[in-house]
Amino acid sequence: QSVLTQPPSASGTPGQRVTISCSGSSSNIGSNYVYWYQQLPGTAPKLLIYRNNQRPSGVPDRFSGSKSGTSASLAISGLRSEDEADYYCAAWDDSLSGRWVFGGGTKLTVL
Amino acid sequence: QVQLVQSGAEVKKPGASVKVSCKASGYTFTSYGISWVRQAPGQGLEWMGWISAYNGNTNYAQKLQGRVTMTTDTSTSTAYMELRSLRSDDTAVYYCARVPSGIAASHGMDVWGQGTTVTVSS
Repeated sequence: QSVLTQPPSASGTPGQRVTISCSGSSSNIGSNYVYWYQQLPGTAPKLLIYRNNQRPSGVPDRFSGSKSGTSASLAISGLRSEDEADYYCAAWDDSLSGRWVFGGGTKLTVL
Repeated sequence: QVQLVQSGAEVKKPGASVKVSCKASGYTFTSYGISWVRQAPGQGLEWMGWISAYNGNTNYAQKLQGRVTMTTDTSTSTAYMELRSLRSDDTAVYYCARVPSGIAASHGMDVWGQGTTVTVSS
């Protein structure tokens, strides 16, 4: 059972816009930044969004993040086949002496 | 370019220990921290802990307290994660990841290593 809640799956057709939600609590998303990671099959996670809505250099502007209260979301516009991957949200949690918590991951399928 | 290169796959028996290395390059090692994250087969990501390469401070996940030790060797820009008393549910891919702060564990991970598969089996 993950501390952050994500839908297990999402899907869309090429060119479409999809969003992935991430729900937490006041001790994590409610008081700290949200990060998003993309994990292509068989590879290490890659930073996609940091500090709620910032993109590292090299990440296309098709990817965007937002946060409101204790929830966050990742939006992918102009969906492409290479976006098919697992997506994880993460946030620092102030409980238990501090720890990083992750969502269970959302598998995105491009139909 | 910034890179984290991890040691190779390990197979261990229950009760044994494993030590995974993570060699950093392309940045000033002592200005950052390293977090360790593991992923059991078919499962999500689990944070194990953090170490500052600046001053050696650590912050371990409560679940692993007493079984895990994280260290750094600043002369070789290498971080290490040792896990003791291995159990079958420690079977996972172990990742190191750079943390853009040498002071706080609460900064998000930006660059990740390629992962090290640890299999615990009798």
